[in-house]
Amino acid sequence: TQLLEQSPQFLSIQEGENLTVYCNSSSVFSSLQWYRQEPGEGPVLLVTVVTGGEVKKLKRLTFQFGDARKDSSLHITAAQPGDTGLYLCADRGGFQGAQKLVFGQGTRLTINP
Amino acid sequence: DVKVTQSSRYLVKRTGEKVFLECVQDMDHENMFWYRQDPGLGLRLIYFSYDVKMKEKGDIPEGYSVSREKKERFSLILESASTNQTSMYLCASSRAGQLNYGYTFGSGTRLTVV
Repeated sequence: TQLLEQSPQFLSIQEGENLTVYCNSSSVFSSLQWYRQEPGEGPVLLVTVVTGGEVKKLKRLTFQFGDARKDSSLHITAAQPGDTGLYLCADRGGFQGAQKLVFGQGTRLTINP
Repeated sequence: DVKVTQSSRYLVKRTGEKVFLECVQDMDHENMFWYRQDPGLGLRLIYFSYDVKMKEKGDIPEGYSVSREKKERFSLILESASTNQTSMYLCASSRAGQLNYGYTFGSGTRLTVV
């Protein structure tokens, strides 16, 4: 059974600071996805990465996928209060051509004004 | 706007009751999923379905069953609710077989069993 480990579990920083959160897998990712979940809502997809070494940018968010496809990082530049939420990494793999998502336990990020 | 709709945001049920959680999606997605989310444990897959009337057990199916009679609707059933089933329940849907395609989640149902 694949295990995804995210670190840190909790992170609280001031507005304007930079931060990085990490996701490590016990096995090679099929397709890595990052989601953000705001309080009282379901997770929302931020990005999908498939190729080892891939880097994707989404405004102030930079996603990196490790060369060996077993780890990933999410870097946020100049964090804003609107970035507050639970960040989840997930592997889309498994039954019949990538049907199931396996999630890490998440990093709960708080950006203080 | 495409979406997944869960019938209730909050539910309070008594121990031993039969509980139905309903989920409807309007995106014509083949796959539908039920997860529960608990602090420190993340999202855990209960059941999923890749077609009408088809279902597969996830990681924690004990105490639950599901029904998918129509493509757009996926129901989660707690046969006899217990206090350890108090949790946030999230329904999701996705298109089949595409690695780049994400899940679309509902807003969740927070179930309390007393």
